[in-house]
Amino acid sequence: GESVGLHLPTLSVQEGDNSIINCAYSNSASDYFIWYKQESGKGPQFIIDIRSNMDKRQGQRVTVLLNKTVKHLSLQIAATQPGDSAVYFCAETRGADGLTFGKGTHLIIQP
Amino acid sequence: GAGVSQTPSNKVTEKGKYVELRCDPISGHTALYWYRQSLGQGPEFLIYFQGTGAADDSGLPNDRFFAVRPEGSVSTLKIQRTERGDSAVYLCASSRLAANTGELFFGEGSRLTVL
Repeated sequence: GESVGLHLPTLSVQEGDNSIINCAYSNSASDYFIWYKQESGKGPQFIIDIRSNMDKRQGQRVTVLLNKTVKHLSLQIAATQPGDSAVYFCAETRGADGLTFGKGTHLIIQP
Repeated sequence: GAGVSQTPSNKVTEKGKYVELRCDPISGHTALYWYRQSLGQGPEFLIYFQGTGAADDSGLPNDRFFAVRPEGSVSTLKIQRTERGDSAVYLCASSRLAANTGELFFGEGSRLTVL
C-alpha cells in the first residue's frame, strides 16, 4: 500500500480564511518531505519542503509542520485566495532518490 | 526553454500500438524522473536517471515500458503494445541534484489515451 496519504480528499474554505491540509506517512525512515500544488492540466509545482530534523518551516503564506512522533505532515495556507484552488500533494523521499506521492487533497476556495 | 518541456501534450493511440513520449529537462539538471498519474491519483514513480544511466527503474510496471536518456539530457519513454490501462498522464521532472536534496521541477505532462 501507499506510505503517504491524505486524510481528506476535498477541502472547501472561504476566501480569506486559513486552510490546513493534512498528510500521514508511514515510512519512519523518510527524511525529506515536499508539498506540491497541481492545477488542472498542469504538472505539480513545488510549494515548500522540510527535512526531518525540523518541525516547522515557513514560506510566503504557507507553513509546513512535521510531527515525527505520529508521522504527520500538514500544510497551512494563510488568507486563501482564489488562485490557491488546486490539488495539493505531500511527498516523501522513496529511499535515496525520487519521491512517493499521496493521493492529494482538492482545495476549493469559496468566494 | 526555461522549464521542463514534454511532447506530445496529448496522444491518442489504439491498443497494441507503440508510443514514444519525450522529455526535455531544464538545462544543467542531471537528474530526470518519469512519473505516471492516473485520474484522481498522485504521481507514481516509474524511473529515475542520473546522467545517462537509469539509476532506478523499479517503478516501470512491466517490460513493455522502457526509457532512455542517451546524452544525459533529453529522455524518451517508450511503451510497446499499449493497453487501455496505460492511459494516464505521464509526467517528467528534473532536478539539479537528486530528489532528496532539492525540489523536482515538473513538466505539464503527456496525456496518453489508449482506445
